[in-house]
Amino acid sequence: DAGVIQSPRHEVTEMGQEVTLRCKPISGHDYLFWYRQTMMRGLELLIYFNNNVPIDDSGMPEDRFSAKMPNASFSTLKIQPSEPRDSAVYFCASSWFQTGTQYFGPGTRLLVL
Amino acid sequence: TQLLEQSPQFLSIQEGENLTVYCNSSSVFSSLQWYRQEPGEGPVLLVTVVTGGEVKKLKRLTFQFGDARKDSSLHITAAQPGDTGLYLCAGLNTGNQFYFGTGTSLTVIP
Repeated sequence: DAGVIQSPRHEVTEMGQEVTLRCKPISGHDYLFWYRQTMMRGLELLIYFNNNVPIDDSGMPEDRFSAKMPNASFSTLKIQPSEPRDSAVYFCASSWFQTGTQYFGPGTRLLVL
Repeated sequence: TQLLEQSPQFLSIQEGENLTVYCNSSSVFSSLQWYRQEPGEGPVLLVTVVTGGEVKKLKRLTFQFGDARKDSSLHITAAQPGDTGLYLCAGLNTGNQFYFGTGTSLTVIP
């Protein structure tokens, strides 16, 4: 298996622009998680899905953030409009069950100027 | 937020030395996981501990879950440069959600 795939690996954008991050989970995994990692706050859970349905989005920082999972093999995390404080590494992870091993993607390093 | 504090935050040691990393909380967790993250990559699970007092060994790494299930430690014997990375603990709460610790950045100097 190719593992969790994320794109793009790096994104540089200007404040106010829309940013879309993409994730392809491991086939057969029912859970998908989006995390944000910064030096100041560490690794934070933003939202997670079960069978394509959002279960808990309490970690989403603001209405500027939205996430979708239209099918079992694809999810997006969108930031609109982006701000410099959104600069971070965003990880997608998937697992067979909620409390099981999470397999992380390589992350998207986002820089908002 | 169920805070998991890790200490030390940064650690730089010589190859061959031993070290211990701590993960502490005031909350009780159903289980606790340890991950290692290398630069430019996502975290990778090392171990899961479930029972209070449980000790698990993975080659030169020894993991212990506190008796009260509020803390954990990771001990590395004879550290090697390949052990370099960010070590993260993650606790599973009663809501079946994992909360990640603040992380310990380890550098092993050859």
